[in-house]
Amino acid sequence: AQSVTQLDSHVSVSEGTPVLLRCNYSSSYSPSLFWYVQHPNKGLQLLLKYTSAATLVKGINGFEAEFKKSETSFHLTKPSAHMSDAAEYFCVVSRDDYKLSFGAGTTVTVRA
Amino acid sequence: NAGVTQTPKFRVLKTGQSMTLLCAQDMNHEYMYWYRQDPGMGLRLIHYSVGEGTTAKGEVPDGYNVSRLKKQNFLLGLESAAPSQTSVYFCASSYTPTLGWGQETQYFGPGTRLLVL
Repeated sequence: AQSVTQLDSHVSVSEGTPVLLRCNYSSSYSPSLFWYVQHPNKGLQLLLKYTSAATLVKGINGFEAEFKKSETSFHLTKPSAHMSDAAEYFCVVSRDDYKLSFGAGTTVTVRA
Repeated sequence: NAGVTQTPKFRVLKTGQSMTLLCAQDMNHEYMYWYRQDPGMGLRLIHYSVGEGTTAKGEVPDGYNVSRLKKQNFLLGLESAAPSQTSVYFCASSYTPTLGWGQETQYFGPGTRLLVL
């Protein structure tokens, strides 16, 4: 069965420093992978998605993620954090029944 | 183009009361979903629909019912609310995911916060 593990439940960074959110997945094939962001009291917004084209995926707001099949990882990065990046981030994998399986989430705090 | 909308935004119920949550989408999506979000557990699928007039159970369907009488609307019902159903409920929609190539991308509504006392 396909699943994802987000390795950090909470990440704290200073404004202007890089952000790294780690995600490992388990799947018997190359699945579709997504990162969603949820700002406080808001719905989930799609940041980016990998669908077996380029392994480096660029998303909105300067985020990008790299699909590494050998490491079964799909880590999310941003070179320079902004205060508006404070939110909860979900790594998501598409299962073989075409439904989505969500990670537990990583809360990002940005310090001024 | 409003995307996915949910009504109401917040509701307080007493144990045993019933209510219906409404989800509407204007993207002509075939598939619609209801999730619940609880701290530290990500989102869990309650029920979903692959088209008008069809519904199916997800991971945590007990205590909930759904209906999809119109393609653009997906209703979630709680017949007899319990404190364990206190949660944030999200509706989502997508094109036909079996077509692959990212068609399974889901678009989410803003959520409904439900408190059951």
